Amino acid sequence: ILNVEQSPQSLHVQEGDSTNFTCSFPSSNFYALHWYRWETAKSPEALFVMTLNGDEKKKGRISATLNTKEGYSYLYIKGSQPEDSATYLCATTNFGNEKLTFGTGTRLTIIP
Amino acid sequence: DAGVTQSPTHLIKTRGQQVTLRCSPKSGHDTVSWYQQALGQGPQFIFQYYEEEERQRGNFPDRFSGHQFPNYSSELNVNALLLGDSALYLCASSFGTGTSRNTIYFGEGSWLTVV
Repeated sequence: ILNVEQSPQSLHVQEGDSTNFTCSFPSSNFYALHWYRWETAKSPEALFVMTLNGDEKKKGRISATLNTKEGYSYLYIKGSQPEDSATYLCATTNFGNEKLTFGTGTRLTIIP
Repeated sequence: DAGVTQSPTHLIKTRGQQVTLRCSPKSGHDTVSWYQQALGQGPQFIFQYYEEEERQRGNFPDRFSGHQFPNYSSELNVNALLLGDSALYLCASSFGTGTSRNTIYFGEGSWLTVV
């Protein structure tokens, strides 16, 4: 993996179902991983910042895990609601580097 | 507590013109970064300002320049606009240096269309 990659690019989920998607990143020089939720015409909303291998974070029905050795993070949404419809972005930073390197996002649509 | 605010929200410019975008960081934040998001891509880092100086720069030409004021607000200037500069420009704020393990907050962005 040379860049931050997210999969799938988009998915449609029935309301009430649970779902998950993936962020893959180069594991060398990894420093931190950021997850954002971005609704149209709004600012990206910070969900989690994760730094340590094995980190797990939770915010309501949304949770995330981090594997820095193999270079991936999963974002889980339990019991999807229409308000979960958004683009979910992940971004990483490396040692000695302040910039966020983003993936292209996963566009989630919840079907009522 | 005001979050990151950006202005203008939308603007249209002609090729060759110059544009200035503005950003006020979240209250208590002193570091401002700018990102460009072109269609179908994730946001790309342009540069970061701290203590009124450019600390880090991404892979953008010198036509992109910035400034940070004593009150920590910032401007992004783009000269000699090209059609390819059409994008959403996002401002992000944080506190201090070495902060990439802290939460970084974004504004809603400024949509620039170059015709």
